[in-house]
Amino acid sequence: NAGVMQNPRHLVRRRGQEARLRCSPMKGHSHVYWYRQLPEEGLKFMVYLQKENIIDESGMPKERFSAEFPKEGPSILRIQQVVRGDSAAYFCASLSDYNSPLHFGNGTRLTVT
Amino acid sequence: QKEVEQNSGPLSVPEGAIASLNCTYSDRGSQSFFWYRQYSGKSPELIMSIYSNGDKEDGRFTAQLNKASQYVSLLIRDSQPSDSATYLCAVMDSGGSNYKLTFGKGTLLTVNP
Repeated sequence: NAGVMQNPRHLVRRRGQEARLRCSPMKGHSHVYWYRQLPEEGLKFMVYLQKENIIDESGMPKERFSAEFPKEGPSILRIQQVVRGDSAAYFCASLSDYNSPLHFGNGTRLTVT
Repeated sequence: QKEVEQNSGPLSVPEGAIASLNCTYSDRGSQSFFWYRQYSGKSPELIMSIYSNGDKEDGRFTAQLNKASQYVSLLIRDSQPSDSATYLCAVMDSGGSNYKLTFGKGTLLTVNP
């Protein structure tokens, strides 16, 4: 049973470009979460999705950031017009049901130059 | 805003000692609690989950939960240098079908040989 798969592992973008981060949850998991971690800081919740629905996006910046989890295919976190402050590790996690732990992917390290 | 607070650390213990990590949370209705370990540059990995008041032991790790005091802790017995990492406390929200997991900022543990 494959774990949570994220790609790419490392992503370099110039300021103003778009970044697209992908996440395939564990098999059988219908809940997907995105977290951001800045260097030397904790995990900050961004968004929680179920298939075709955004459940909680209270941690998402209002502009430039969007997320989706379509009926088919991986979840996508999209950052438009990236700025240097977007440089961080972005972790995806998935969950099967309540009272189950989150399982994390290996993360995508985004560097904005 | 639901909060999870951890003692700021860093915490340094000698090899073979007991390391004690503490966490308090604000959401009185929370029912699910988790401890994750994160090595530098890696993704968080689950160590323990606990759902009921009292102690739960798994090898050298013991999680303790006191819902009345809104307090959860992790004890690591016979600490090893390989235990050196950041330990993250996580609490599942209690609100309806929003299975959102909120993390503390983490405590950096160093075990000295």
